[in-house]
Amino acid sequence: DTGVSQNPRHKITKRGQNVTFRCDPISEHNRLYWYRQTLGQGPEFLTYFQNEAQLEKSRLLSDRFSAERPKGSFSTLEIQRTEQGDSAMYLCASSRRLGNTEAFFGQGTRLTVV
Amino acid sequence: DAKTTQPNSMESNEEEPVHLPCNHSTISGTDYIHWYRQLPSQGPEYVIHGLTSNVNNRMASLAIAEDRKSSTLILHRATLRDAAVYYCTLPGADNYGQNFVFGPGTRLSVLP
Repeated sequence: DTGVSQNPRHKITKRGQNVTFRCDPISEHNRLYWYRQTLGQGPEFLTYFQNEAQLEKSRLLSDRFSAERPKGSFSTLEIQRTEQGDSAMYLCASSRRLGNTEAFFGQGTRLTVV
Repeated sequence: DAKTTQPNSMESNEEEPVHLPCNHSTISGTDYIHWYRQLPSQGPEYVIHGLTSNVNNRMASLAIAEDRKSSTLILHRATLRDAAVYYCTLPGADNYGQNFVFGPGTRLSVLP
């Protein structure tokens, strides 16, 4: 399978714990995006990388959220001191570096904070 | 960010054409219009995108109004597998315009 891979698919955590999600993009894609989606809503943009550089962060991304993309390959999204409001589907997408092209999304990681 | 408005839901009969409208009156001159769809428990899937001219691919057609303030996604023959939430998206108003701004989308039901 050469699509975007996200792990884990599901995560249940207690409030206050830290969680980390991983995204493996399509190998030749230099752009990588993180989105968050709550029930009944469209995905909301969180952050964007071009290679290893994090070029944009949404106002939605509080200080408790941090994302990395070491060496411009896979990416991780960490949420510290989780809150119940963080419960959502976290989606990763990747696209080619040049041109106005489509993004390919992974199946997401569903986070439930109890 | 430029906003899009779409009907909350639409229904279609199987094997009939479906026209999904989207209004984007605040679109900028260089903004591409992208359409994605999302099946239950899946990530969004790319459908089509365009700038000014009408576009066709194996999945759908995209008709863009001359003033670019609206567009219509056309599924020529709906199948049960086309039942999904369809999103019309525009770039975010950031320095790079690289992210997509999704609204709530249109939930398409296809009746057998």
